[in-house]
Amino acid sequence: NAGVTQTPKFQVLKTGQSMTLQCAQDMNHNSMYWYRQDPGMGLRLIYYSASEGTTDKGEVPNGYNVSRLNKREFSLRLESAAPSQTSVYFCASTEFKRGGYTFGSGTRLTVV
Amino acid sequence: GESVGLHLPTLSVQEGDNSIINCAYSNSASDYFIWYKQESGKGPQFIIDIRSNMDKRQGQRVTVLLNKTVKHLSLQIAATQPGDSAVYFCAENIRDNYGQNFVFGPGTRLSVLP
Repeated sequence: NAGVTQTPKFQVLKTGQSMTLQCAQDMNHNSMYWYRQDPGMGLRLIYYSASEGTTDKGEVPNGYNVSRLNKREFSLRLESAAPSQTSVYFCASTEFKRGGYTFGSGTRLTVV
Repeated sequence: GESVGLHLPTLSVQEGDNSIINCAYSNSASDYFIWYKQESGKGPQFIIDIRSNMDKRQGQRVTVLLNKTVKHLSLQIAATQPGDSAVYFCAENIRDNYGQNFVFGPGTRLSVLP
């Protein structure tokens, strides 16, 4: 099925370790986003890419970096994981037509 | 800053009853709103949307109402079923320092009682 694919689904990291969350969409959308979701705080924007070749900081970018590898793929990197980065991470894409975002199924990350 | 919020963090309803989930927004320039449903372990999924030139839109068992005068959005679910148990988010389409994007409220958890 067409949509947004995120990998991995689950990950446990030790403090200070690094990792990259992968996201790919097959809907030919220009805009892609990374959100984190914490209990009681809704979805907060980490980084976004309005189009291929551009990336910009969102509301909570500290501790993260992103790469828009091509139109399909948008990765999120944690260089030195901290317990405060324990969260569920969602990738989304859109063309800002009716329907808004299409979300991936999420990556549940625990930093110990 | 301007944000989207929800009046009730949790809502419990009897199976078969109607559910009403509310949302307040403060950005008067927002012109497009969406309700999303998020089931446990999944990403949010589109339910229904409404543009600011409308005050009501109906889908299958769901209705969204928009009151621009008081900046209020609601989602009505008719004959609530166990499968409706989820967290519901409203989102508004805005242009802010982060470009054009959707801003989400914290969500309301709907629990359907047997």
